[in-house]
Amino acid sequence: DVKVTQSSRYLVKRTGEKVFLECVQDMDHENMFWYRQDPGLGLRLIYFSYDVKMKEKGDIPEGYSVSREKKERFSLILESASTNQTSMYLCASTSRARSYEQYFGPGTRLTVT
Amino acid sequence: AQKITQTQPGMFVQEKEAVTLDCTYDTSDQSYGLFWYKQPSSGEMIFLIYQGSYDEQNATEGRYSLNFQKARKSANLVISASQLGDSAMYFCAMREGGSGGYNKLIFGAGTRLAVHP
Repeated sequence: DVKVTQSSRYLVKRTGEKVFLECVQDMDHENMFWYRQDPGLGLRLIYFSYDVKMKEKGDIPEGYSVSREKKERFSLILESASTNQTSMYLCASTSRARSYEQYFGPGTRLTVT
Repeated sequence: AQKITQTQPGMFVQEKEAVTLDCTYDTSDQSYGLFWYKQPSSGEMIFLIYQGSYDEQNATEGRYSLNFQKARKSANLVISASQLGDSAMYFCAMREGGSGGYNKLIFGAGTRLAVHP
């Protein structure tokens, strides 16, 4: 059974803290993605990675960075969390061979106070 | 710019009836893909169905079918014989560019479906 896992389902952080969100997939997928989901806006792409150590900005990269040191792991970093980064964060992965299907993790609901 | 529009913030349907969730898209690409995902209250995104822009037949997966009208740039999801477990948020999405590659998806705002007994 294919699996994308995220390190936390719920997270509460203070303004200014550095926040790490971890995503791990066990499907040997080349591509990994980070989205944020806000009511009325759907999902918006923050960053994606198509290979180890490679990354590309999505539509809303400001305030975020990413790291992909291993193929199975893709981390999203909030260097200095702000209240407007309170959101649901979803990680996804896909293979190049079966490119039409993205597998999603369960999501991390982050609250920044 | 590529865009997905879902004009129905909420829909409700009686159990066992069919329901259509609307999706229109805008793209200048000739090759693209359209997706529907379901998100139950638990939060995970579940892939339902995919339609490629060159596919001549409408995609079907069990009770789900995608009514693809290329000239109108619409990709509506039809759920037949609704079940209580179909109550969820539904997202339409489009893949930029052709097959392979990075497969970035653009999502619509979503439609919340409530199935009543």
